[in-house]
Amino acid sequence: AQSVTQLGSHVSVSEGALVLLRCNYSSSVPPYLFWYVQYPNQGLQLLLKYTSAATLVKGINGFEAEFKKSETSFHLTKPSAHMSDAAEYFCAVSDGQNFVFGPGTRLSVLP
Amino acid sequence: EADIYQTPRYLVIGTGKKITLECSQTMGHDKMYWYQQDPGMELHLIHYSYGVNSTEKGDLSSESTVSRIRTEHFPLTLESARPSHTSQYLCASIPWTENTEAFFGQGTRLTVV
Repeated sequence: AQSVTQLGSHVSVSEGALVLLRCNYSSSVPPYLFWYVQYPNQGLQLLLKYTSAATLVKGINGFEAEFKKSETSFHLTKPSAHMSDAAEYFCAVSDGQNFVFGPGTRLSVLP
Repeated sequence: EADIYQTPRYLVIGTGKKITLECSQTMGHDKMYWYQQDPGMELHLIHYSYGVNSTEKGDLSSESTVSRIRTEHFPLTLESARPSHTSQYLCASIPWTENTEAFFGQGTRLTVV
């Protein structure tokens, strides 16, 4: 069975500061990992995905994530937060058949 | 750009009414899903389908029903809406290819008054 945990339901950063959103997973098979972003009253939009190629994955809007097998982690980072990054972020894991989403982390960006 | 559409985007309806939320995708994906999400909260899987004439209940018990008569269409129906059904409903589709992401519609925000 797969599962995803996201440490911190709400993260606040100042504009221009580093963004770090944490994701840990469990999977009995090599996982496929995803980060999605959701803006208010919208569906989920893919930010980036890990599919067993490079462990450092670059996504849209300056975000990137690093797959660390030893830590079963896939944390999302951005060097400098922008006001437009304020949204809900979901980490997800797939075994190729089923998707499991984490509970989400709300990112607030303070001026 | 994902080709998955949900209608309506917003719906306010009275208690006891029957409603159908539409979800259509033009990508030929076999797997489709319905999630229920309260504002700012996690996604709860309520229904999924792996192809035509295949429907299953998800992790969260729901009074809604679904059908899958055509590959591209996965409507969700509430026979008698109640205020407790007020939520956002998200539809998603995934192809059988293993390393592919889920594609989401824009969601339907349902309010039952």
